[in-house]
Formats: sequence, structure tokens, C-alpha cells
Amino acid sequence: DAGVIQSPRHEVTEMGQEVTLRCKPISGHDYLFWYRQTMMRGLELLIYFNNNVPIDDSGMPEDRFSAKMPNASFSTLKIQPSEPRDSAVYFCASSPGTRGNTIYFGEGSWLTVV
Amino acid sequence: KQEVTQIPAALSVPEGENLVLNCSFTDSAIYNLQWFRQDPGKGLTSLLLIQSSQREQTSGRLNASLDKSSGRSTLYIAASQPGDSATYLCAVRLAGGGADGLTFGKGTHLIIQP
Repeated sequence: DAGVIQSPRHEVTEMGQEVTLRCKPISGHDYLFWYRQTMMRGLELLIYFNNNVPIDDSGMPEDRFSAKMPNASFSTLKIQPSEPRDSAVYFCASSPGTRGNTIYFGEGSWLTVV
Repeated sequence: KQEVTQIPAALSVPEGENLVLNCSFTDSAIYNLQWFRQDPGKGLTSLLLIQSSQREQTSGRLNASLDKSSGRSTLYIAASQPGDSATYLCAVRLAGGGADGLTFGKGTHLIIQP
């Protein structure tokens, strides 16, 4: 399996622009997670889906952030409008259908908002 | 709210030494605990997964232990090598309903001197 695939790997955008990050989870995995990593706060869970349904979005920082999972093989995290404080690495991760299983991470999307 | 603490934040040792990384968590009602490795500019690679009913897991030169009642885990690295240089992250998955995501510590930045 190719693992969790994220795109773009790197993005530099201007403040106020819309940013869309994409994720393809490992085939057959029922859970999908979006995390954000910064130097100050470390890794934070933003939102997760189970069988394409958002379960917990309490980590989404504000209404400028939204996430969707239209099918089992694709998810997006959108920031609109973007701000410099959104600069971070955004990780997508997936795991099989029980909590006892390993969570597998993608390589991350490195976002810089100038 | 679950909090995960890793000590030390950074560690530099000569090649060949055995070393221990520490992780503590505040809520002992966990499903499992995972140790990850993160190389600069890369995603997270899972090293070891310990279920809540287990005491330890081993993989090659790595051994992770779990004492759920005291809220502690250790990662033991034997005969360290320069290639072990990376950031090591500890994460717990809660057992409570709806809390399926991982809560991460901020990591231990490890440097193995040749």
C-alpha cells in the first residue's frame, strides 16, 4: 500500500487566500484524522472522521477551518481566509476500524501564509 | 483533559550508549500508547504500539514499557547509533467514547554523536 498520501507537500500563499489541503487515506481504513503541528503547541488533533462522518471537530480552531470527507478515499481541509498564524504542518492520518490499531501518518503539508 | 509530558525535551549522547526516554500521561483510562519517530521535514513513523493490557513491546533495539496505573511509559534504545537521531513522540489514545484521536507529547529531540 502507498500509505497516507497528502497534497500539496508545500504551499506558500498570501494572507486572505483560500487554502485546500488534500488527503487520501490507506484503503480500508475507517478512521481519518487531521492534525496540525507547530513549534509552540506541538501536534494537535483538529478533526476526525469515522466511516466518512465527522465525529469530533472540537479541535478546529475557528470557523475559517472546515473539513470534508465525501468518500472513503478522499478528504479535504480548507482554510478560508488564511492568516499568517495558520502557518504550520498539517498531517493527515488514518487507522483501521478499531481503537487498538496503529495510526498511520502522511508526510504532511507544509503551509506558509505570508 | 488528557495531558502528555515527555522528559527530557532534548538529549545528546555519544554513539553506543543505552538511553531511556520518558513519557507521562494524566488520564490512565487509555486504549493504547504509541511511540513515534519524526525526522526533520518528515512525517511520523510508528515505532511501537502498546495496548492498555500489555506491559511492554520490543522491536529490535527498541523496548517500550507501559505502567498504566502510574501513567508512565518509557522507550529504551539500546546501543544507540547516529541514525537514531530524530524527535521521538509519545501519544495516547483514550478509551472514552468519542475520544478516538491521539494526544501527543511535545517530543524528545535526540542527537546521537558519532
